[in-house]
Amino acid sequence: GENVEQHPSTLSVQEGDSAVIKCTYSDSASNYFPWYKQELGKRPQLIIDIRSNVGEKKDQRIAVTLNKTAKHFSLHITETQPEDSAVYFCAASFSGTALIFGKGTTLSVSS
Amino acid sequence: NAGVTQTPKFQVLKTGQSMTLQCAQDMNHEYMSWYRQDPGMGLRLIHYSVGAGITDQGEVPNGYNVSRSTTEDFPLRLLSAAPSQTSVYFCASSRGDTDTQYFGPGTRLTVL
Repeated sequence: GENVEQHPSTLSVQEGDSAVIKCTYSDSASNYFPWYKQELGKRPQLIIDIRSNVGEKKDQRIAVTLNKTAKHFSLHITETQPEDSAVYFCAASFSGTALIFGKGTTLSVSS
Repeated sequence: NAGVTQTPKFQVLKTGQSMTLQCAQDMNHEYMSWYRQDPGMGLRLIHYSVGAGITDQGEVPNGYNVSRSTTEDFPLRLLSAAPSQTSVYFCASSRGDTDTQYFGPGTRLTVL
């Protein structure tokens, strides 16, 4: 079946450092790649997304890059802050209908 | 706009019992999905729908049924609950397959 691999599963950084989370996907027809942030006990919330006709997208301290040839995409967070601490999920569209998620990355930012 | 709503928030069942988790959205979204979230497993797709009258299986459909009789509602039925179905269940909706998917607040289900 379709699969999304996400690495690393945990990531610890110092405040102000950058954090990078990487994902690979198996469905070559996937054309939509969102990233979600989930705080403890809350629902996932979209933080940024990218579509297959774009290679990079930025929103303030957050950026996502996409390499369709290699079937991988990455989330970059610069100047991390303690409030960035959360679980981050990548996802890829599946048969143009639903999303398949990675297993998540727990990001801890220490001050 | 209430967005995506789910009921109940918490539920405890005994093995073998059946129940329906409710999900509704007021954004006129065609696409709706059900996920379960278990520690270390991420969000796994159970069933999804691309419009009223249309449903399909996701990654982990066994033990669950769905129907989509209206655009607004997408209930998830557990036919005979098992301890392995203890999880947090999220419903989500979007306008289309490349549009933002909005999640409901979740239902925490425990099966004893």
